[in-house]
Amino acid sequence: GNSVTQMEGPVTLSEEAFLTINCTYTATGYPSLFWYVQYPGEGLQLLLKATKADDKGSNKGFEATYRKETTSFHLEKGSVQVSDSAVYFCALISGGSQGNLIFGKGTKLSVKP
Amino acid sequence: SQTIHQWPATLVQPVGSPLSLECTVEGTSNPNLYWYRQAAGRGLQLLFYSIGIGQISSEVPQNLSASRPQDRQFILSSKKLLLSDSGFYLCAWSVRVSGEQFFGPGTRLTVL
Repeated sequence: GNSVTQMEGPVTLSEEAFLTINCTYTATGYPSLFWYVQYPGEGLQLLLKATKADDKGSNKGFEATYRKETTSFHLEKGSVQVSDSAVYFCALISGGSQGNLIFGKGTKLSVKP
Repeated sequence: SQTIHQWPATLVQPVGSPLSLECTVEGTSNPNLYWYRQAAGRGLQLLFYSIGIGQISSEVPQNLSASRPQDRQFILSSKKLLLSDSGFYLCAWSVRVSGEQFFGPGTRLTVL
C-alpha cells in the first residue's frame, strides 16, 4: 500500500542553520507529493508540492525535489528562522486513490535564537 | 478567494455525550470534503471524505459519522463519545480528487 516515512523528530536547530527533513515514500503509479506545515495550535497549510519526477517545489525559502529513483522528497531550507518552528508533514496522493492524502507522522522543528 | 471554517475551536465533553462539529467552505462549488483526526503522537488519520451532497465514504470503523447536508457543509457527529475520541479534528477541501487539500483551523476535542 501507499505510505510515507519521515525522519523522527524533534529537530532542534539554531537560527540560520541549514535544515533537512527526510521523506521517503512507497506508492503505486506516479503520486503527487506535498509538504504541509502546522504552526502551534493551527491547522495545516500547504507549503509546497511537486506533481512529477524531477519537479522542484519551493516556497518561503523551503525546497523539495521529487526524486523518483530514490522515492524521496526531502525538505530543505538554507537558513531557518525562529518563525519556522512548527510541525512539518510530508504527504502523497496516489493517482490511483480517491484523492486521499497519505501523511507521514510529522517532524517537529524547533529553532532557537 | 476560498476560505474554510470550523467550529467550535475547542470543545470539552463528557464520555457518552453527543458530538457535532461543523465545517463550511466559502468561495467554491462542489468541493471534495474531508475529515481528519490528529491524535497525540499518531499523525493524521483520514476519517471520512465526500465528493458530493449525501455522498460519504468512511475510511476507518468507529463510533463517528459524517454528513453533508449542503454542498459546502460537512458535519462530524457522534451519538456517544469515547475517551479515545479526544484529538484535533481537521476539515479539508480540494477542487480535484487528486489535487492538494486545504485545511481549516481545526477543533480540539477533549473527552473527559
